Amino acid sequence: GAVVSQHPSRVICKSGTSVKIECRSLDFQATTMFWYRQFPKKSLMLMATSNEGSKATYEQGVEKDKFLINHASLTLSTLTVTSAHPEDSSFYICSALPGGSYNEQFFGPGTRLTVL
Amino acid sequence: SQQGEEDPQALSIQEGENATMNCSYKTSINNLQWYRQNSGRGLVHLILIRSNEREKHSGRLRVTLDTSKKSSSLLITASRAADTASYFCATLKAAGNKLTFGGGTRVLVKP
Repeated sequence: GAVVSQHPSRVICKSGTSVKIECRSLDFQATTMFWYRQFPKKSLMLMATSNEGSKATYEQGVEKDKFLINHASLTLSTLTVTSAHPEDSSFYICSALPGGSYNEQFFGPGTRLTVL
Repeated sequence: SQQGEEDPQALSIQEGENATMNCSYKTSINNLQWYRQNSGRGLVHLILIRSNEREKHSGRLRVTLDTSKKSSSLLITASRAADTASYFCATLKAAGNKLTFGGGTRVLVKP
């Protein structure tokens, strides 16, 4: 149990386009989901906390107009990278926190974004 | 900035040997978790140790936590080539639900 999926797994886009990444909890409800960014051979950096039915909370230095987050249901959060540029190329990983839990987050398999 | 710092950054061992990596953190925590990540993949949760626990075992994994020193260690015994991966510690603060990740240790187990 506790499976989190991400779609797409890989995306290549042209500079200036927008890309949407989906994060789904497949067998549990997640009131809270998290979005992380990871550069090659580096650790995960938390970008934002996505709460179902309310606005996301962004970490310092993360542009909320650049990285739009929508958590419309208890099983789905989306991250849209708007007007993507090559420096946005990265590995984006989401995680989901089961309702009522403050312990283990379940991570998605990640999305590799390459902006040309 | 990352709360957790891990050392070593990279570790290369022979199959059958033990691998030990350490994690230090700065603030009070609710728990500390260890994750494994294979190249280009998502994270796999390995083990969670609560702030009131000192040691925990899971199969070939042994985790210790010293809250007085704000440090934790992960020991993988009798390593296998399949253990080759990056290992991250992550702390959950006493208040809140956000994880803060350490820099990670890249482990290479040579057959």
